[in-house]
Amino acid sequence: QVQLVQTGAEVKKPGASVKVSCKESGLTFTGYYIHWVRQAPGQGLEWLGRINPNSGSTHFAQKFQGRVTMTRDTSISTAYMELNRLRSDDTAVYYCALGFSYGQFDYWGQGTLVTVSS
Amino acid sequence: QSVLTQPPSASGTPGQRVTISCSGSSSNVGLSIVNWYRQVPGTAPKLLIIANNQRPSGVPDRFSGSQSGTSASLGISGLQSDDEADYYCAAWDDTLNAVVFGGGTKLTVL
Repeated sequence: QVQLVQTGAEVKKPGASVKVSCKESGLTFTGYYIHWVRQAPGQGLEWLGRINPNSGSTHFAQKFQGRVTMTRDTSISTAYMELNRLRSDDTAVYYCALGFSYGQFDYWGQGTLVTVSS
Repeated sequence: QSVLTQPPSASGTPGQRVTISCSGSSSNVGLSIVNWYRQVPGTAPKLLIIANNQRPSGVPDRFSGSQSGTSASLGISGLQSDDEADYYCAAWDDTLNAVVFGGGTKLTVL
């Protein structure tokens, strides 16, 4: 059974960085990507980008380019998303999601609430 | 402002059929496949419809999807109280070079 388990909630000050992890388990296939999607309080879903866990290649939404980094440690089956220069409007639940194509996210992590507040 | 347009709310009575629309453009819905997600508030979204009209394993056939031109729609027949949730459409946008979502539709079962 595929599971994606994310780190717990974070509280950060404006200008700081946050790094969220996403540990995969139960995977018996390859060729997938790990995507990151966020949801501000009471708002809809927003795609930040994705990483190929095998090659490490990344693709970010233009809005986040220069501010987001996605990495992975294959030895511990964990992907990471780091967002820099945090602002109050970055307050959101950040989800990792596993998918084989853009827009199709077959499995989701439980979400990590990141609160940006002075 | 979401790139894909969905009605903010929809409603129906038990047993009815409801349809939720997702309107886009030639750079997203008109060009790419649409996937649908169901989200119960406080939980992660769950994949509901793949590639316009396919259902992942475990999704009942009460749920269906269709796509025509730059619009897509999600149909739910035999409405049940458990169907109350937020529903989102998603597609690849070739101009933005990103995945885009609809703003979500809150479904209420009266």
